[in-house]
Amino acid sequence: DAGVIQSPRHEVTEMGQEVTLRCKPISGHDYLFWYRQTMMRGLELLIYFNNNVPIDDSGMPEDRFSAKMPNASFSTLKIQPSEPRDSAVYFCASSLGLRGGSYNEQFFGPGTRLTVL
Amino acid sequence: GNSVTQMEGPVTLSEEAFLTINCTYTATGYPSLFWYVQYPGEGLQLLLKATKADDKGSNKGFEATYRKETTSFHLEKGSVQVSDSAVYFCALTHRRGTALIFGKGTTLSVSS
Repeated sequence: DAGVIQSPRHEVTEMGQEVTLRCKPISGHDYLFWYRQTMMRGLELLIYFNNNVPIDDSGMPEDRFSAKMPNASFSTLKIQPSEPRDSAVYFCASSLGLRGGSYNEQFFGPGTRLTVL
Repeated sequence: GNSVTQMEGPVTLSEEAFLTINCTYTATGYPSLFWYVQYPGEGLQLLLKATKADDKGSNKGFEATYRKETTSFHLEKGSVQVSDSAVYFCALTHRRGTALIFGKGTTLSVSS
């Protein structure tokens, strides 16, 4: 399996622009997670989906952030409008959830490094 | 609420030194515990796990034991290598939940 795929790997944009990050989970995984990593706050869960349905979006910082999962093989995280404080590495991860056993190993993508100028 | 606390880094060691990275947790019930590793420029990879009290997770010479009485899951390695230089994250999740709660990460730097 190719693992979790994220695109783009790097994104540089100007404040106010719309940014869309993309994720393809591992085939057969029914949970998908979006995390944000910054030096100040570490790794934060933004939102996660189960069978394409958002389960917990309490980590989404504000209305400028939105996430969708139109099908089992694709998810997007959109920031509109972007701000410099959104600069971070955004990770997508997927897992089998409870079907994977009593633990829930999450498999991470390589991340998208976002820089908002 | 549930949380994970890791020792502050960075940790700087010479090759073949003994490594300990402390991790304690606060959680209701019986969470599963993990150590993830992040090499420079990469995503996180599962290093080891333990799903119940007194379980010992091990992988690549690293070990951690699930200690419920001290709510700890300290990571150890007897002899570190330069290639072990990375950021290490302790994390937990509950059996019936799926989201991971991470500690802030500990940067390990090993010199030859």
